Amino acid sequence: QSALTQPASVSGSPGQSITISCTGTSSDVGSYDLVSWYQLHPGKAPKLMIYEVSKRPSGVSYRFSGSKSGDTASLTISGLQAEDEADYYCCSYAGSRTYVVFGGGTRLTVL
Amino acid sequence: QITLRESGPTLVKPTQTLTLTCTFSGFSLNTSGVGVGWIRQPPGKALEWLALIYWNDDKRYSPSLKSRLTITKDTSKNQVVLTMTNMDPVDTATYYCANRLLVAFDCWGQGTLVTVSS
Repeated sequence: QSALTQPASVSGSPGQSITISCTGTSSDVGSYDLVSWYQLHPGKAPKLMIYEVSKRPSGVSYRFSGSKSGDTASLTISGLQAEDEADYYCCSYAGSRTYVVFGGGTRLTVL
Repeated sequence: QITLRESGPTLVKPTQTLTLTCTFSGFSLNTSGVGVGWIRQPPGKALEWLALIYWNDDKRYSPSLKSRLTITKDTSKNQVVLTMTNMDPVDTATYYCANRLLVAFDCWGQGTLVTVSS
């Protein structure tokens, strides 16, 4: 069982917006603004989409945004496109002992 | 351009030790703040962080796997090596290496599938 809880699946139609939640605890998500999000397409290298809760790396579309409230972080994808269909994982710093934890992953289906 | 590539055996037997190498380019593990980590994904399951090593040789391990893992670096070769002892079929997974420039795993390799079977 993963340390961070994500919905197993979400779906949306092209052009719509969706939000994926990532719930942790006061030991990880709630204590540090160090949540990142990754996109996984089959057969391709995972890609960093968001870091430090809401920052976008160079080259990542503005349609991807991140936020956090308490122990829950969220990834929002606006203007859904077919190529956004993938698995998404959240990740958080969890202190000096546990260090890094991942979520269970969410499969995004673009209808 | 940053690239990372994982290499190692595709098949190991139970109880054997797995040795994986991450060969990278486009950044240096001599640079302050830089790290390289290993993450795995069993078939149909979630990502799991394994280990990290930083430019100053600081090493971090997943608490649940710490007793089985060793991570080392060779900055002259731009390589990071992960060893995992006492392999079991549940360790069958795609193993990824990734660099850590920001406080995240910035760039990833394509991964290498390791199967544990007799």
